[in-house]
Amino acid sequence: QKEVEQDPGPLSVPEGAIVSLNCTYSNSAFQYFMWYRQYSRKGPELLMYTYSSGNKEDGRFTAQVDKSSKYISLFIRDSQPSDSATYLCAMSAGVTGGGNKLTFGTGTQLKVEL
Amino acid sequence: KAGVTQTPRYLIKTRGQQVTLSCSPISGHRSVSWYQQTPGQGLQFLFEYFSETQRNKGNFPGRFSGRQFSNSRSEMNVSTLELGDSALYLCASSSMAGRGQETQYFGPGTRLLVL
Repeated sequence: QKEVEQDPGPLSVPEGAIVSLNCTYSNSAFQYFMWYRQYSRKGPELLMYTYSSGNKEDGRFTAQVDKSSKYISLFIRDSQPSDSATYLCAMSAGVTGGGNKLTFGTGTQLKVEL
Repeated sequence: KAGVTQTPRYLIKTRGQQVTLSCSPISGHRSVSWYQQTPGQGLQFLFEYFSETQRNKGNFPGRFSGRQFSNSRSEMNVSTLELGDSALYLCASSSMAGRGQETQYFGPGTRLLVL
């Protein structure tokens, strides 16, 4: 079983929809949680960064972390065709817990249609 | 500020050959990490270098190696290539100011095809 599980999709939604992306994990040492977006033929770019449990909002994006359930989510409001990409969750125990190593989910492919 | 650069962007090799990939981190960043991305396994951590020393290593065979130079540029080498080594190899840099989990900035990757 992988340390981080993520539904690969693909997920197709109409423009303006609310998108919910999720990951579950098994390693209790994870304290830092990130969401990356990756466009085709590009490297991943950081969208959201959260430490421990709680919510974080940035524009149309909201990240939620529930450490008790080992479950993280990314919500995209008012989705746009430009949001079409692969979304990767990533986690870390932090510098003191294992260096700068990120453990990724396999990614969810999202398509926002006009 | 220029981003992370990786060369070459595309590479075709045959089984048994070896390959060297290069990564130049963001100016001032001292940590460089390497990841392998495949459709089946996703992104998997290979190793991390900081101040020319390997600080962390993923679960890959010894055919995968790397090094970091005094200017923080890094190279990774794969010897005796196998078909399964076909992947996108991503490099990420971070400043390593010593706080929590440093944000990692990824390069565009080198796409390696092994025939």
